[in-house]
Amino acid sequence: DAGVIQSPRHEVTEMGQEVTLRCKPISGHDYLFWYRQTMMRGLELLIYFNNNVPIDDSGMPEDRFSAKMPNASFSTLKIQPSEPRDSAVYFCASTDRTINTEAFFGQGTRLTVV
Amino acid sequence: AQSVTQLDSQVPVFEEAPVELRCNYSSSVSVYLFWYVQYPNQGLQLLLKYLSGSTLVKGINGFEAEFNKSQTSFHLRKPSVHISDTAEYFCAVTSVSNDYKLSFGAGTTVTVRA
Repeated sequence: DAGVIQSPRHEVTEMGQEVTLRCKPISGHDYLFWYRQTMMRGLELLIYFNNNVPIDDSGMPEDRFSAKMPNASFSTLKIQPSEPRDSAVYFCASTDRTINTEAFFGQGTRLTVV
Repeated sequence: AQSVTQLDSQVPVFEEAPVELRCNYSSSVSVYLFWYVQYPNQGLQLLLKYLSGSTLVKGINGFEAEFNKSQTSFHLRKPSVHISDTAEYFCAVTSVSNDYKLSFGAGTTVTVRA
């Protein structure tokens, strides 16, 4: 398996623009997590899904952030409108709790909002 | 809720010397513990995990960690480091009954010098 695939790897956008980050989890995994990494706050869990259903979105910082998982092989994290303080590395991770106990991470998307 | 404290933010070490990275956790319930490594501009890769059983856990790349329930610690060690071990290391915890949401420590940057 190619692992968790995230796109784009880098994104530079202007303040106020909409940004969409994409994630393809490992095939067969039923949990998907979105994390954000910043120097100030470290790694934070934003939201996670089980069987495509959002379970806990308490980590989503504001209403400007939204996430969807329309099917088992695809998830998006959207920021609208984007702000400079959203600049961070966003990671997607997936796992299958019947087999694994650890999360498998993608390479991340480095977002810069100018 | 669970939390993790990594006691050292930066650890410089000479090549072939031993290294220990300290991690303490807080939880009122049973936990799983993990160490992840992040190389520059990469995602997180699992080094090792503690689920149950033997308190000494061996991982990849010669790393090992010891779970100490009474001291709520999970310190990571390597007897002899290489230049290639230069990276950021994260300790993470999840409760057994918490959908395995990971709570991460702030990270320890290990810099190996020749």
